[in-house]
Amino acid sequence: SQTIHQWPATLVQPVGSPLSLECTVEGTSNPNLYWYRQAAGRGLQLLFYSVGIGQISSEVPQNLSASRPQDRQFILSSKKLLLSDSGFYLCAWSNRDTGELFFGEGSRLTVL
Amino acid sequence: AQSVTQLDSHVSVSEGTPVLLRCNYSSSYSPSLFWYVQHPNKGLQLLLKYTSAATLVKGINGFEAEFKKSETSFHLTKPSAHMSDAAEYFCVVTRGGFKTIFGAGTRLFVKA
Repeated sequence: SQTIHQWPATLVQPVGSPLSLECTVEGTSNPNLYWYRQAAGRGLQLLFYSVGIGQISSEVPQNLSASRPQDRQFILSSKKLLLSDSGFYLCAWSNRDTGELFFGEGSRLTVL
Repeated sequence: AQSVTQLDSHVSVSEGTPVLLRCNYSSSYSPSLFWYVQHPNKGLQLLLKYTSAATLVKGINGFEAEFKKSETSFHLTKPSAHMSDAAEYFCVVTRGGFKTIFGAGTRLFVKA
């Protein structure tokens, strides 16, 4: 069966510090991968998606970047965090046939 | 173009009474529709999905939804609410891959 892991679960970082959130998927190959952000009281915002190694598409301009160094690994990064980067970040992979999304447990980022 | 509207930002019910969470969609083609549930500080979990098979879809935890093309609706129901159903619920429309649109979410409160 497929599983998805993301870490860390919680993170408190000062403004201007770097960020690295990691996500790995097991039990499937060549998945579509996604990073979403959920700000307090808001819905989900798609940040990045990837159809393959090294292939990243960004949905919104921002202070963040993503990379996919391996087929089942997806990394969300920032060189210098802003207060507005605070939120709940969710990694997901999708079934290519149905579009069904499978989510990780999320990473709570607080920028102070 | 696709869109999805969750008609209620908050719904409050008493334990043991029925639950109705409303969702309307707009799509220029036959969509796939999903309902996800999110408990606090957790990832999203799939409740049920419609992918052009039976219009009445049964999901986990006693939830079901009916796809009504004439009304462009996909409302989520449950005959009897349980305290553990208190969470946020998202209606999602997708054409597959990256064309996935999330509703703004409906927070369900269950009173004892």
